[in-house]
Amino acid sequence: QFTLKESGPTLVKPTQTLTLTCTFSGFSLSTIGVGVAWIRQPPGKALEWLALIYWDDDKRYSPSLKSRLTITKDTSKNQVVLTMTNMDPVDTATYYCARRPLIAASGTSHFDYWGQGTLVTVSS
Amino acid sequence: DIQMTQSPSSVSASVGDRVTITCRASQGISRWLAWYQQKPGKAPKLLIYAATSLQSGVPSRFSGSGSGTDFTLTISSLQPEDFATYYCQQANSFPALSFGGGTKVEIK
Repeated sequence: QFTLKESGPTLVKPTQTLTLTCTFSGFSLSTIGVGVAWIRQPPGKALEWLALIYWDDDKRYSPSLKSRLTITKDTSKNQVVLTMTNMDPVDTATYYCARRPLIAASGTSHFDYWGQGTLVTVSS
Repeated sequence: DIQMTQSPSSVSASVGDRVTITCRASQGISRWLAWYQQKPGKAPKLLIYAATSLQSGVPSRFSGSGSGTDFTLTISSLQPEDFATYYCQQANSFPALSFGGGTKVEIK
């Protein structure tokens, strides 16, 4: 079975940098075709894709947030880390990590397994 | 960026009803569209990928159709556990992925 779990601070102050870790099991990020993404959801609002890292270390970012985001992977630890700089109250959201399955066609990504999410509040 | 527009934003329906949700892309995305179901306080659950492929374990009353810019999610006979919010996601990775605004299916 595939599982993912997000961890990190629940409260950050404006202008601080957020670091979130996704720890997963049941699959490897060295498997061709696999990827892990970060997606967030402000309270009561829609989902927003943030970043995606592939098995080959290729990385994709939301154009509107690209300057603030960094995604990295540690294959040996089965972890993916997202950092977001210059946090603002509008970044308050539940942050999810999710798996891109290897069956996804080249150049496309959907997400078949998701973590439970972690709520991050930005407030002074 | 490719914008995804879902309609309606909410729908009231009864158990047994046929429910149809539409998603429109601002430019053509071939068949690269996924649908998710989300219940309150829970992570989204993948229902459909590549516009028409049913994810393993998802009941057959869920189906997807469409290609290009217009897509549809159909629930053939609404069950009590189907009351939730549904999101479409365009799956073309370049330049960016994106989700629709969501459709809430409520009890009439």
